[in-house]
Amino acid sequence: KAGVTQTPRYLIKTRGQQVTLSCSPISGHRSVSWYQQTPGQGLQFLFEYFSETQRNKGNFPGRFSGRQFSNSRSEMNVSTLELGDSALYLCASGEGGQETQYFGPGTRLLVL
Amino acid sequence: GESVGLHLPTLSVQEGDNSIINCAYSNSASDYFIWYKQESGKGPQFIIDIRSNMDKRQGQRVTVLLNKTVKHLSLQIAATQPGDSAVYFCAENYNNAGNMLTFGGGTRLMVKP
Repeated sequence: KAGVTQTPRYLIKTRGQQVTLSCSPISGHRSVSWYQQTPGQGLQFLFEYFSETQRNKGNFPGRFSGRQFSNSRSEMNVSTLELGDSALYLCASGEGGQETQYFGPGTRLLVL
Repeated sequence: GESVGLHLPTLSVQEGDNSIINCAYSNSASDYFIWYKQESGKGPQFIIDIRSNMDKRQGQRVTVLLNKTVKHLSLQIAATQPGDSAVYFCAENYNNAGNMLTFGGGTRLMVKP
């Protein structure tokens, strides 16, 4: 099976702009989770989607949002970008229960 | 797990030696634990997992030990190879949290040839 794919891999934006990142899970996986990774804060959970519904949400401001489509693909959106949003955004997919999640390569976002 | 921010602890080992990476997890309700390996420029790669009804699980060259009494997890890598050089993260999950993982701060493993 193909692994988790994320697009784009790299992105440069300026403060105040918005950005949309995309994640395609492993075929058959219905759960998609998003994480932010920074040197200062490490890996932090953003949100999880399962069967097109947000199942869990981390402690991030409302500028961070996401959605999941009927084919399990997911997008996350960050509005009104701030310099501190520069990070590696990782997507992970799983079958839906409490089991292994597999990560994609990430999207590296730089906000100038 | 506790985040250690910018200053990742580093473990330096000689090629062929065994490595032990430790992790203290934070939630006594956590019942599922995963170790991930992350190489530079890549996403975390699954290594091994363990559920709370076990205290030891073995994979190929890797063993995970779980001590629920002191909320401690360790990853043992046998015969460490240069390709094992990476940052290793432990992650915890509890069943009511869907697939939400809480990650430790990570440990950098450096293997000297």
